Amino acid sequence: AQSVAQPEDQVNVAEGNPLTVKCTYSVSGNPYLFWYVQYPNRGLQFLLKYITGDNLVKGSYGFEAEFNKSQTSFHLKKPSALVSDSALYFCAVRERSGYSTLTFGKGTMLLVSP
Amino acid sequence: NAGVTQTPKFQVLKTGQSMTLQCAQDMNHEYMSWYRQDPGMGLRLIHYSVGAGITDQGEVPNGYNVSRSTTEDFPLRLLSAAPSQTSVYFCASSYTPTGEFPGELFFGEGSRLTVL
Repeated sequence: AQSVAQPEDQVNVAEGNPLTVKCTYSVSGNPYLFWYVQYPNRGLQFLLKYITGDNLVKGSYGFEAEFNKSQTSFHLKKPSALVSDSALYFCAVRERSGYSTLTFGKGTMLLVSP
Repeated sequence: NAGVTQTPKFQVLKTGQSMTLQCAQDMNHEYMSWYRQDPGMGLRLIHYSVGAGITDQGEVPNGYNVSRSTTEDFPLRLLSAAPSQTSVYFCASSYTPTGEFPGELFFGEGSRLTVL
């Protein structure tokens, strides 16, 4: 079975500082990995995905994520946080084979202070 | 282009009542799904469909029914509501390029359901 762990319920960072939101996964074989963001009272929005190739993936709003196969991690990063980045972030994984569905982590609340 | 549209946005039910959450997408996506979001639980998959006439169960299907008669619509039915079904429900769809299933999901705005 596939699973995702987001070890931090909340991450606090000051505006202008770099941010990292952690994600580790468990899946049979090679994974597809995704990050989504949810603003208050809204649906989730796609940020970025890892399919294959370069381990550093760049996405929307200046976010990027690094795939590390040996550590089974896919941490979300941004060099300089904005107050408007404050939101709930979800990591998700699915297996490459067959009709596998997407499994989400429990989410990490990112709070960026002015 | 409306994307994924969910109705209603809010609903209050009494235990034992039935209702249908509607979901429609105008992107010609083959894959559609329903998730529920609960505090501290993340998103859990209820049911999904890979095309008209084809549905399958997700992680938490009990108490819910679905059907897919058209590509555009994927309603979620609660036959006899229970307080444990109090949640925020999200419909999501995806384009399925050949050999890839699914791609990134497009989500609706959510339906907040309270069962008393």
